[in-house]
This record gives sequence, structure tokens and C-alpha cells, in this order.
Amino acid sequence: GAVVSQHPSRVICKSGTSVKIECRSLDFQATTMFWYRQFPKQSLMLMATSNEGSKATYEQGVEKDKFLINHASLTLSTLTVTSAHPEDSSFYICSAKRLVGGYTFGSGTRLTVV
Amino acid sequence: AQTVTQSQPEMSVQEAETVTLSCTYDTSESDYYLFWYKQPPSRQMILVIRQEAYKQQNATENRFSVNFQKAAKSFSLKISDSQLGDAAMYFCAYRSENFGNEKLTFGTGTRLTIIP
Repeated sequence: GAVVSQHPSRVICKSGTSVKIECRSLDFQATTMFWYRQFPKQSLMLMATSNEGSKATYEQGVEKDKFLINHASLTLSTLTVTSAHPEDSSFYICSAKRLVGGYTFGSGTRLTVV
Repeated sequence: AQTVTQSQPEMSVQEAETVTLSCTYDTSESDYYLFWYKQPPSRQMILVIRQEAYKQQNATENRFSVNFQKAAKSFSLKISDSQLGDAAMYFCAYRSENFGNEKLTFGTGTRLTIIP
């Protein structure tokens, strides 16, 4: 079945540094990738939508300069949290839309900023 | 904008019994998709069931079935013969039929506990 590999699964970084999260579709082409953020015991909040080869579309209130999204190929999308601060600590999940058959989610990345 | 509401933050059910999780949504669109996703402690999102709004017949997947009431904008999930592995967070989600607006809007979730 369709698989999205998300790395890293856990990362701890120092305040002020940048962290890159990768989502790779292993056996299908992901023309559209969605990036979500999930706080403890809360729902998934959409941060941005990225389409291969074009700029990402960010949801209202999401800082595009802080959360850089790159979708340079049909199998890889990355989210970079720049100048991370403790309030950026959260669980980040990607989801790839398949041409046929819905969505495939990555396994998530737990980011802790210390 | 579409909204999805899950009014039950927590539910519990005895093993082998049946439980129904509620979901309501608000939209002005006539064509759309509705989903139920399961998120176990591993936090991997797993599709449970999906419903196309144009279909009157309620979707069914083994022990999981939905009661889709389009006029009432209600989309409940029934789990029959509950099993310990069903314990998870359950999220109801909405997706527009419109091309270019394919994001999922999630409800706040219901934590389901299975009592042995």
C-alpha cells in the first residue's frame, strides 16, 4: 500500500536553531502535501498545503518565514522550522494526497525545543 | 469556512459492545467527502471509513459503519463488537469536492476507551 516516510520521528533542538522534517512518498507520486500541527490532546491543525513545483499556501496565522515548506519533487516535501523557540514544540504530521484513493499520513515528528 | 464538531471528548464502551461516536459539520457545499480517522497511541493516522455526500447509502467497513444524515449535517460512526485494539482517538474530517480545495478539516476528536 501507499506509504509516506516521515523523518525524524523525534528531534530535540536548541532554541534559535533550525530543524528540517522530511516526508517522502515511497511508492506513489504526491502532487499535494499537507502539513499539520497537533498539540497534546488536540486536533490536527492545517499549517500549509504544498504542491510540487510551486509555492506553498499557508493557513491564516501561520508564519511562512518561520515554517518553510519545499516540495521540489513528486516524492519529497520538507518542512523547516527556522529559529525554533519552545512554543514551536509540537507534533508535526504530513499527509500526501494520492491521485486516486485519498490521503496517506506520515508517522509524525515530535519536536522539542529547549 | 467549513467546521466539524465532535461533542464527545471521551467515550468508553465494554469490550464486545457497540458504541456510536457523534460528528456534525457545517458547510454550504452540496458535494463533499466525510471521513473517520483513528489515531492510536502511536499517533499514526489510520483511515477508518469514508463517505461521499452524493451517496445516500451509508458506508460500511466490517465492524465500522456510519449514519450519514445529509440534511441534518450529521455523520456518526458506529463500532460494533468493540475490541481492545479499537482504543484510540477518533477524528471526524471534512473535505470539499472542489478541485484545489482538497484539505481535510478535522473535528476536535473523541477519545475512545475499551473496557475489558
